Amino acid sequence: DARVTQTPRHKVTEMGQEVTMRCQPILGHNTVFWYRQTMMQGLELLAYFRNRAPLDDSGMPKDRFSAEMPDATLATLKIQPSEPRDSAVYFCASGLVLLRGANEQFFGPGTRLTVL
Amino acid sequence: AQTVTQSQPEMSVQEAETVTLSCTYDTSESDYYLFWYKQPPSRQMILVIRQEAYKQQNATENRFSVNFQKAAKSFSLKISDSQLGDAAMYFCAYRRRSQGNLIFGKGTKLSVKP
Repeated sequence: DARVTQTPRHKVTEMGQEVTMRCQPILGHNTVFWYRQTMMQGLELLAYFRNRAPLDDSGMPKDRFSAEMPDATLATLKIQPSEPRDSAVYFCASGLVLLRGANEQFFGPGTRLTVL
Repeated sequence: AQTVTQSQPEMSVQEAETVTLSCTYDTSESDYYLFWYKQPPSRQMILVIRQEAYKQQNATENRFSVNFQKAAKSFSLKISDSQLGDAAMYFCAYRRRSQGNLIFGKGTKLSVKP
């Protein structure tokens, strides 16, 4: 049963600390997305990759956030330094985007981040 | 820019009854996709149903169906024979054909009364 995995599931840290979230997409998928969910803003895109290349990271605060795909089986999202306003649930999703079709994105279980 | 609006923050339905969740969107594109996702308390995002804009026929998945009105840019979700397990947040989402990412509405919290 293929699924997207994310680690850690929960993270509590203090303001100023570095946070790294990891995602393992479904094998064979060519796109990976990072979304953030907050009560105020809802679900919003932070970044997405196709074939490991970043296509859009316009939703990501560049001064403190960075997203990478070191290889096809791992995507990372880093926050340095973290701030209380970064507290949210961070979702990773992967999909196989073809030329045609309403290709489904499969979501991971999310990382709940709390920055004190 | 594309936007998705869900005007009902909360809805309630009696078990076994039918409920309709509303969604409108704004786009200048002609080819796109629309989705409904369910998010139970576990936080897991689950795809409920999808619609391709070039298809006139409304999508159906068991007890879930949509009413897709392209000219009105409306995409409502109908849940028939509601079950307790349907209680969740429901998100409407839009995707351009040329892009991979989803644009979400703010969600509707559905409660199911026994």
